[in-house]
Amino acid sequence: GENVEQHPSTLSVQEGDSAVIKCTYSDSASNYFPWYKQELGKGPQLIIDIRSNVGEKKDQRIAVTLNKTAKHFSLHITETQPEDSAVYFCAASSGAGSYQLTFGKGTKLSVIP
Amino acid sequence: GAGVSQTPSNKVTEKGKYVELRCDPISGHTALYWYRQSLGQGPEFLIYFQGTGAADDSGLPNDRFFAVRPEGSVSTLKIQRTERGDSAVYLCASSWGTATGELFFGEGSRLTVL
Repeated sequence: GENVEQHPSTLSVQEGDSAVIKCTYSDSASNYFPWYKQELGKGPQLIIDIRSNVGEKKDQRIAVTLNKTAKHFSLHITETQPEDSAVYFCAASSGAGSYQLTFGKGTKLSVIP
Repeated sequence: GAGVSQTPSNKVTEKGKYVELRCDPISGHTALYWYRQSLGQGPEFLIYFQGTGAADDSGLPNDRFFAVRPEGSVSTLKIQRTERGDSAVYLCASSWGTATGELFFGEGSRLTVL
């Protein structure tokens, strides 16, 4: 099955700086890569996603890049704000069932004012 | 309510007891998913419903776990003979259909087995 590795597990940045979170996946058939943000006591919420036919996608301060050859994808957050503090999860579709997401273990991002 | 609703939000039970967790998806969403999240981990897939039928239950860890969605809306996750290792947050999500796209998660049901 699919295996998703995520790094780092924790990340602290000063407000206004950029944050980068990286993930690798194992199944070359995976074709959908979402990123979810989870605040304490809440369910995960989709912040951005990318499909295998696209190399980069941007939405305001958030961008995701995908390298299918190397099987890795990254989340970039620019001009970080305290409200960006949360746990971020990358995920990949299993390929066999696009609804069946395999998540990484998460990155706890702390933005220091 | 506009979002996915899960009840109870917290459940404490004793080892060996039976537990039911309920999920009320977003109105109109045909697809419904159950995931389990252990402390410090990402969500793990359990089961997926398209309408009333379980399209994929390959993530259920063993036959103590069962889920139903009899009318294609509300779903119940049932756990028999609970074990301490079942302690986790059980997340329900729904979406418009089977294609890849955004899953809308509820806040989860935290299960603690003593």
